Amino acid sequence: GQSLEQPSEVTAVEGAIVQINCTYQTSGFYGLSWYQQHDGGAPTFLSYNALDGLEETGRFSSFLSRSDSYGYLLLQELQMKDSASYFCAVRDRGYGGSQGNLIFGKGTKLSVKP
Amino acid sequence: GAVVSQHPSWVICKSGTSVKIECRSLDFQATTMFWYRQFPKQSLMLMATSNEGSKATYEQGVEKDKFLINHASLTLSTLTVTSAHPEDSSFYICSAQPPDYSGRADNEQFFGPGTRLTVL
Repeated sequence: GQSLEQPSEVTAVEGAIVQINCTYQTSGFYGLSWYQQHDGGAPTFLSYNALDGLEETGRFSSFLSRSDSYGYLLLQELQMKDSASYFCAVRDRGYGGSQGNLIFGKGTKLSVKP
Repeated sequence: GAVVSQHPSWVICKSGTSVKIECRSLDFQATTMFWYRQFPKQSLMLMATSNEGSKATYEQGVEKDKFLINHASLTLSTLTVTSAHPEDSSFYICSAQPPDYSGRADNEQFFGPGTRLTVL
């Protein structure tokens, strides 16, 4: 089967650093993505890792270890506006070995407190 | 980035009626669009893949006769919830990728703003 595991909730204070972990088990692997979704809003793309290592984009960084089927999203200098749900997603194998659909984790609700 | 719109943003209907939701790619052509359903505090569950000019591909457990998908053009896909019931109340989100997504370095998928359906 296919599954992505991530913590359901995380709470932190403004200015802190938070790491949201994601472990996955899928039929194929074409990269790990992270999406942010505010309540009632659409998911928005944050980052993508196809190769092992750390990708940094401003206050957000994402890490991937393919051998461990593991990745994380690191949020630094937390702000109140970062309160949202964060989803990891993996593209599985499609028909004929091509890239398939995005499979989403259940999401981690991040609450940033003053 | 690419823009995907959805209409309506919310709809309330009586049980037994049908509701149509439109998904449009505004600044790119999308041969493939995706329809997701999201219950409160839950993940996005892929319902079906909408293919322009051909039948949609439904995920296991999704009734194709209840959730009709029509991808009539390269910029428009519609989802019709037929004979809606209260258990169909959910947040429906579409997404699309530019046609060259397989070559993109970021593997990004663009989502519409979602449609909140409430069936009374």
